Amino acid sequence: KAGVTQTPRYLIKTRGQQVTLSCSPISGHRSVSWYQQTPGQGLQFLFEYFSETQRNKGNFPGRFSGRQFSNSRSEMNVSTLELGDSALYLCASSLEQASRDTQYFGPGTRLTVL
Amino acid sequence: GENVEQHPSTLSVQEGDSAVIKCTYSDSASNYFPWYKQELGKRPQLIIDIRSNVGEKKDQRIAVTLNKTAKHFSLHITETQPEDSAVYFCAAKSIGGSQGNLIFGKGTKLSVKP
Repeated sequence: KAGVTQTPRYLIKTRGQQVTLSCSPISGHRSVSWYQQTPGQGLQFLFEYFSETQRNKGNFPGRFSGRQFSNSRSEMNVSTLELGDSALYLCASSLEQASRDTQYFGPGTRLTVL
Repeated sequence: GENVEQHPSTLSVQEGDSAVIKCTYSDSASNYFPWYKQELGKRPQLIIDIRSNVGEKKDQRIAVTLNKTAKHFSLHITETQPEDSAVYFCAAKSIGGSQGNLIFGKGTKLSVKP
């Protein structure tokens, strides 16, 4: 089976712009979770989608949003980018809800905000 | 909410030696503890996990132990090799609970010197 894929792998944006990141889970997996990884804060949970519904949300501002499509692919959007949004954004998929199952990570999207 | 502390933040060992990384968690409801290995520029890879109904689990040179009473779990790598060099993250979550997200430790950078 193909693993979790994320596009694009690298992005450079400027402050105030918005960005959309995409995640395709492992075939058959229905849950997608998003994490932000920075050197200072480590891996922090953003949100989880299961069956097109947001099931859980971390402590991030409303500028961070997401959605999931009927084929389980997920997108994450960040509006009004700030310098502090520079990070590696990882998505992870699991067969069932993340609360019940092991999560497998994608390669990440490296976002740089200038 | 759950909080996971991980020590040490950096660890340097000679090839062939053992390495031990320790994590403590705060939420007694947590019952699933995975360990991820992240090589430079790559995705976190699940290397071993343990559930709270088990005290120890082994997979070749890697073992994880769990002490539920003390709320700590440890990763043990024996006969370390240069390719074990990476950042290792512990995590915790409550399987079956409403919150499915993984709470991560800050990571341990392991360097294995040949």
